[in-house]
Amino acid sequence: KQEVTQIPAALSVPEGENLVLNCSFTDSAIYNLQWFRQDPGKGLTSLLLIQSSQREQTSGRLNASLDKSSGRSTLYIAASQPGDSATYLCAALSGTYKYIFGTGTRLKVLA
Amino acid sequence: EAGVTQSPTHLIKTRGQQATLRCSPISGHTSVYWYQQALGLGLQFLLWYDEGEERNRGNFPPRFSGRQFPNYSSELNVNALELEDSALYLCASSLGASGDVETQYFGPGTRLLVL
Repeated sequence: KQEVTQIPAALSVPEGENLVLNCSFTDSAIYNLQWFRQDPGKGLTSLLLIQSSQREQTSGRLNASLDKSSGRSTLYIAASQPGDSATYLCAALSGTYKYIFGTGTRLKVLA
Repeated sequence: EAGVTQSPTHLIKTRGQQATLRCSPISGHTSVYWYQQALGLGLQFLLWYDEGEERNRGNFPPRFSGRQFPNYSSELNVNALELEDSALYLCASSLGASGDVETQYFGPGTRLLVL
């Protein structure tokens, strides 16, 4: 049974700092892993999707890596800004095409 | 290209009532997925429909049900509402068996409040 864990649960950093969010999954037989952003009371915004055959994806200041063998993915945010404050969720797609979500990392970037 | 749309955006019901949530997938997508995000809990998979049939179901009671129409839009019905059904309900769609079944695109969600 796939389980997805995100560490840390909450993170507070000063503006401009580079930071790394961690995601671990127990079953390496995944189709893809997706990182989302969720603002309070809102739905999901897809940030990056990494297929199982890929090692990393980049979009602007965001870089996500995937290491299936170790069951880990990281989301790197460069030069953080107050607008980056949100909850970040990772989700692994495996088995019968359902995403298993982590519980998220609440990020606060201080101006 | 229009994304996944959901209606209504907000829904208020009382205990014991029924709620109906609707989802329209991206044009060309045949698979629709439903997820629940209850307060204090993570996002959990509810249901998956493809080509009009239920393909998979999460660990939810039978009062959570749905259907998919010939145009691939979907309804999620929640009967005999309980307070703990208050949650954000997200719908996602993918190409389904005809193509890239793995990539799911999410809608903005319906926030259900049960009083």
